[in-house]
Amino acid sequence: QVQLVESGGGVVQPGRSLRLSCAASGFTFSSYGMHWVRQAPGKGLEWVAVIWYDGSNKYYADSVKGRFTISRDNSKNTLYLQMNSLRAEDTAVYYCARDSNGDYDLVAFDIWGQGTMVTVSS
Amino acid sequence: SSELTQDPAVSVALGQTVRITCQGDSLRSYYASWYQQKPGQAPVLVIYGKNNRPSGIPDRFSGSSSGNTASLTITGAQAEDEADYYCNSRDSSGNPVFGGGTKLTVL
Repeated sequence: QVQLVESGGGVVQPGRSLRLSCAASGFTFSSYGMHWVRQAPGKGLEWVAVIWYDGSNKYYADSVKGRFTISRDNSKNTLYLQMNSLRAEDTAVYYCARDSNGDYDLVAFDIWGQGTMVTVSS
Repeated sequence: SSELTQDPAVSVALGQTVRITCQGDSLRSYYASWYQQKPGQAPVLVIYGKNNRPSGIPDRFSGSSSGNTASLTITGAQAEDEADYYCNSRDSSGNPVFGGGTKLTVL
């Protein structure tokens, strides 16, 4: 079945780095744009980054620009999020999500992973 | 702060109809999508585009839009519909953005 499984979360000290992975299965990964979305404890959803189906374009939320890097390996059906210079405010559950591949006037995340928790604390 | 505004909380009596709204200037140009999130679970897409439901989403969920306001309507709310609901569209930069979320209580 269509599935996304995140991994790589954990507890990390401020200023350190962490890399999240998202393994995709059950669909043609290389045909879809992919996103990272995060949710701080008790808070709402926050979009983090997007990468186009072929990796040709990447966009970031202002809150992570210059610190986080989204990438993908279509040969491995895997999405990544490299997080550097982590801050306490980056503490959140990080979800990978598939773009529905609609027209530009629509953005929708039709498949979500179960999420991986990242805690930034000394 | 989010460019999409939602009421923090809404309640509905069991079996009645409830509308959850999302306001933002970008909704004049872009469609909204809606997500249901239950405690400890990942969000689930329930409505996208003009008024489309992914497979498996009950037809009591519907979407509409007028001007700068998008709405999610649940006709005949069930106990299992109690959840947080988020709208999503694009911001003024064209990047995805979520509303602050609405906590739906079914009485």
